[in-house]
Amino acid sequence: RKEVEQDPGPFNVPEGATVAFNCTYSNSASQSFFWYRQDCRKEPKLLMSVYSSGNEDGRFTAQLNRASQYISLLIRDSKLSDSATYLCVVTYNYGQNFVFGPGTRLSVLP
Amino acid sequence: ETGVTQSPTHLIKTRGQQVTLRCSSQSGHNTVSWYQQALGQGPQFIFQYYREEENGRGNFPPRFSGLQFPNYSSELNVNALELDDSALYLCASSYSGTGSFNEQFFGPGTRLTVL
Repeated sequence: RKEVEQDPGPFNVPEGATVAFNCTYSNSASQSFFWYRQDCRKEPKLLMSVYSSGNEDGRFTAQLNRASQYISLLIRDSKLSDSATYLCVVTYNYGQNFVFGPGTRLSVLP
Repeated sequence: ETGVTQSPTHLIKTRGQQVTLRCSSQSGHNTVSWYQQALGQGPQFIFQYYREEENGRGNFPPRFSGLQFPNYSSELNVNALELDDSALYLCASSYSGTGSFNEQFFGPGTRLTVL
């Protein structure tokens, strides 16, 4: 079993749709959690950190369930510019181990 | 922009050759991590350097080695290149210390092609 797994995708959604991405991790000692986005042939960029209480940044909401070892990202009112690959990241050993999921590709269609 | 720079941008080598990739970390950061990203996959952790020492290593053979310098910049060296080493190599810098959340910020990457 992979350390971090994500929805296989791709997700093709119309503009304005709400889309949710799911991520599960296997290491119960995981300490920090992030969502990154990666545009085609570019580097990953930090989208948001994920806190135990859940957090929101504009149209983006991240949730963490430590008991189920599950992280989610919700995008509301999706825009064409949201088209990218979304990478779930889990860290442990105080940041020494930074494990990426395989990513889920999102295409927002006009 | 993150302030993390990498060089070169692109590189073409042949099997058996050696390559050195370079990374300058963001100002204020003391930790550099290296990743290999094959097409269509997530980045795979190679190793991390903190205070000029290797601070963690992923599942990569010893022919992948690195250095960190006093100014926190870093090099990734790969010996005896194989065709499967063709990938995007990403460097990420972060701050490791009390209270840090360890967010990593990535450079634009070096695309290595091995022929």
